[in-house]
Amino acid sequence: EAQVTQNPRYLITVTGKKLTVTCSQNMNHEYMSWYRQDPGLGLRQIYYSMNVEVTDKGDVPEGYKVSRKEKRNFPLILESPSPNQTSLYFCASSSTGGIINEQFFGPGTRLTVL
Amino acid sequence: GDSVTQMEGPVTLSEEAFLTINCTYTATGYPSLFWYVQYPGEGLQLLLKATKADDKGSNKGFEATYRKETTSFHLEKGSVQVSDSAVYFCARTISSGSARQLTFGSGTQLTVLP
Repeated sequence: EAQVTQNPRYLITVTGKKLTVTCSQNMNHEYMSWYRQDPGLGLRQIYYSMNVEVTDKGDVPEGYKVSRKEKRNFPLILESPSPNQTSLYFCASSSTGGIINEQFFGPGTRLTVL
Repeated sequence: GDSVTQMEGPVTLSEEAFLTINCTYTATGYPSLFWYVQYPGEGLQLLLKATKADDKGSNKGFEATYRKETTSFHLEKGSVQVSDSAVYFCARTISSGSARQLTFGSGTQLTVLP
């Protein structure tokens, strides 16, 4: 089954404790992206990657890091989480061939930083 | 800059009522336009899309027409069902940089009562 998976689905942590949220897709997509969803703000892009070893900042990259060492994986790293990073996070992927293609979203990771 | 504006929710309708969710976009570049739907506890799914002016996207009884003259992409359904209860997001491609990047509206919560 074609899908985007994220782990963990729920995470409660404390300020300053480094964490990683994993994202993996099995569709051989070149493009991957991370978003955060906050009430009243919709989805805002954190980082995206056009292909292996190619990453770029989205609208709200501060406090986050990403890496793209393999095509299927795109982990989101919070080196020193703060309470304002409490949010619902989504990973997404799409192919890059032809006209614009739909983005496939993971199920989300709900992060709480105390 | 590139942005989309959606009507604020929440929207509550009775089953079989007519639905309209308004979406307007900034007239920069030649964006593709999308409606995504988020069911409770899930990630976003593409509902429909339109890639150029006057295109009509349709899926599952929902429709939206790309109106360049009014910079709008309103979502409509003639007869909603309880199962349509979800959050709906309007989105557009950004006019510079990667064609894979999307900017989303703030989302509209729809509740359909039996």
